[in-house]
Amino acid sequence: DGGITQSPKYLFRKEGQNVTLSCEQNLNHDAMYWYRQDPGQGLRLIYYSQIVNDFQKGDIAEGYSVSREKKESFPLTVTSAQKNPTAFYLCASSIGGGGADTQYFGPGTRLTVL
Amino acid sequence: GDSVTQMEGPVTLSEEACLTINCTYTATGYPSLFWYVQYPGEGLQLLLKATKADDKGSNKGFEATYRKETTSFHLEKGSVQVSDSAVYFCALTSPGYSSASKIIFGSGTRLSIRP
Repeated sequence: DGGITQSPKYLFRKEGQNVTLSCEQNLNHDAMYWYRQDPGQGLRLIYYSQIVNDFQKGDIAEGYSVSREKKESFPLTVTSAQKNPTAFYLCASSIGGGGADTQYFGPGTRLTVL
Repeated sequence: GDSVTQMEGPVTLSEEACLTINCTYTATGYPSLFWYVQYPGEGLQLLLKATKADDKGSNKGFEATYRKETTSFHLEKGSVQVSDSAVYFCALTSPGYSSASKIIFGSGTRLSIRP
């Protein structure tokens, strides 16, 4: 079955540590995205990538970094520069980078900073 | 800029009640409109979508009609079930944008159904 996988489901980090969240898709989609969701709020875009080896900042990129070395993978690193990283992180993908393309979401990773 | 406004929750209904969750939008051009659903502890799932005025999206008994004259995309279901308890997000994208970044989500509406 095609889909998007995220791992781990739950992640705990000590303050000052970097941590990397995994996102893999086997849908052959060109575009991939990372969102952050805080309790009771909608989604905010962190980074997105329309093609391999290219990515752009979203609305809240500070304290985060990404890479897109393979079409199917788009890992997100939460750095120690992110002041309030505790949140639910969602990865998504779409066929292309067009504004009307439907985005499909992974199950999410809940990050907690101890 | 573009935006989506949803009715605030939580919305609590009894099983078999009728549901309407209001969604209105502000956008330039002709956006595509979406409803996503998020079950507890999970990611978002696409529930339905409509890409042009007067289109009706439907899935799992839910419906929403793209109303350009009222800039609305209200979600409706005639008889809700306990399993419909979730958070529902209205969203829009516009084909006029040059990049893929412009999917705008509403803040979500939490729906709880009592047995």
